Amino acid sequence: GAVVSQHPSWVICKSGTSVKIECRSLDFQATTMFWYRQFPKQSLMLMATSNEGSKATYEQGVEKDKFLINHASLTLSTLTVTSAHPEDSSFYICSARDNYMGTEAFFGQGTRLTVV
Amino acid sequence: GQNIDQPTEMTATEGAIVQINCTYQTSGFNGLFWYQQHAGEAPTFLSYNVLDGLEEKGRFSSFLSRSKGYSYLLLKELQMKDSASYLCAVSLNAGNNRKLIWGLGTSLAVNP
Repeated sequence: GAVVSQHPSWVICKSGTSVKIECRSLDFQATTMFWYRQFPKQSLMLMATSNEGSKATYEQGVEKDKFLINHASLTLSTLTVTSAHPEDSSFYICSARDNYMGTEAFFGQGTRLTVV
Repeated sequence: GQNIDQPTEMTATEGAIVQINCTYQTSGFNGLFWYQQHAGEAPTFLSYNVLDGLEEKGRFSSFLSRSKGYSYLLLKELQMKDSASYLCAVSLNAGNNRKLIWGLGTSLAVNP
């Protein structure tokens, strides 16, 4: 299957700082990318959907000024957690899909964010 | 609203067969996915059903009945490495931004 690379796999940051997470599709064009957050023993919660070159569409309750998403190219999307707080500590996962290839979305490895 | 139900936990024995059920009530339907997720890792794709019936892929099979809003994942010849969470997800009709609505996952423990 197609490969999605997410970086970093884990990060620890101080409260009040910002963290950027990258998601790259390595062998296909990611026309749509999804960003999820997952708390322990809970399912995936969709945060936002982004199409290349367009503004992201955020799910209800997700602060777009806090979680900045950029999808500037067909192979790269970034999620920046601004002014991170301990309650933002979570597992963040991206998935990418080529809308012309099919329905399946491919997942990155996930990023474990810990805010201290 | 959207709702996907699956059992929280299941236990089975190595070498046995286990069936994980998923029922859904969603405003649209563009297929149902099953993913496997090991603790601390991202989900990996197992199967996709968009038409009624059974799809078989090695030790894993997935069944869909759209009229009943029901799917199951069947795992045969269970191995210890199959201990994981199994997520059922429904793809909604939303154009190019087709979203996946996720169930809470079924945590499967395979015992020797």
